[in-house]
Amino acid sequence: DAGITQSPRHKVTETGTPVTLRCHQTENHRYMYWYRQDPGHGLRLIHYSYGVKDTDKGEVSDGYSVSRSKTEDFLLTLESATSSQTSVYFCAISRRDGTDTQYFGPGTRLTVL
Amino acid sequence: QKEVEQDPGPLSVPEGAIVSLNCTYSNSAFQYFMWYRQYSRKGPELLMYTYSSGNKEDGRFTAQVDKSSKYISLFIRDSQPSDSATYLCAAASGTYKYIFGTGTRLKVLA
Repeated sequence: DAGITQSPRHKVTETGTPVTLRCHQTENHRYMYWYRQDPGHGLRLIHYSYGVKDTDKGEVSDGYSVSRSKTEDFLLTLESATSSQTSVYFCAISRRDGTDTQYFGPGTRLTVL
Repeated sequence: QKEVEQDPGPLSVPEGAIVSLNCTYSNSAFQYFMWYRQYSRKGPELLMYTYSSGNKEDGRFTAQVDKSSKYISLFIRDSQPSDSATYLCAAASGTYKYIFGTGTRLKVLA
């Protein structure tokens, strides 16, 4: 998985609770991405980061926030989880911008009851 | 209309067959095209990365891009049961953003 770990790998939580997912890379890549994968929708970009403290929104960013205080860590936070955020979340990294190859982590399976 | 369309399958073929997986796209600005393989409950794994039109070959895999018809293909020769997975196509322009197809499930029967 190209030196990418995600934690936790599985999580079950209740509606209204905050949840933070962590992505950690050992490749020192500049760009990091959070996607969600849902049946019938494929992979959709939530947020991405192009450097420490530099982040921007993707196509499905509502209800999510991110932070990147170190090159190697990219956090995704669901401030108040909803059932519609039940999904599989993948982190990806690339050396340069989105035209460069993106490598994916193993995923986090999140269930919001 | 989605920017990248992909038939979800499933596609079942006998071992040894040539597999053809296809996607269409609508955005003329796309110049980078990727194929990923995803096994069940795993992260996507990059198979092929191509720029602009043409063919690219890597072992049993050939990626083909036809920008005039906005059509991208992945061919798998001598398919094996271990090739059974979901195959995702993706396209990108000169920005950060990959646009993914929904994936095609492939099953290679022994």
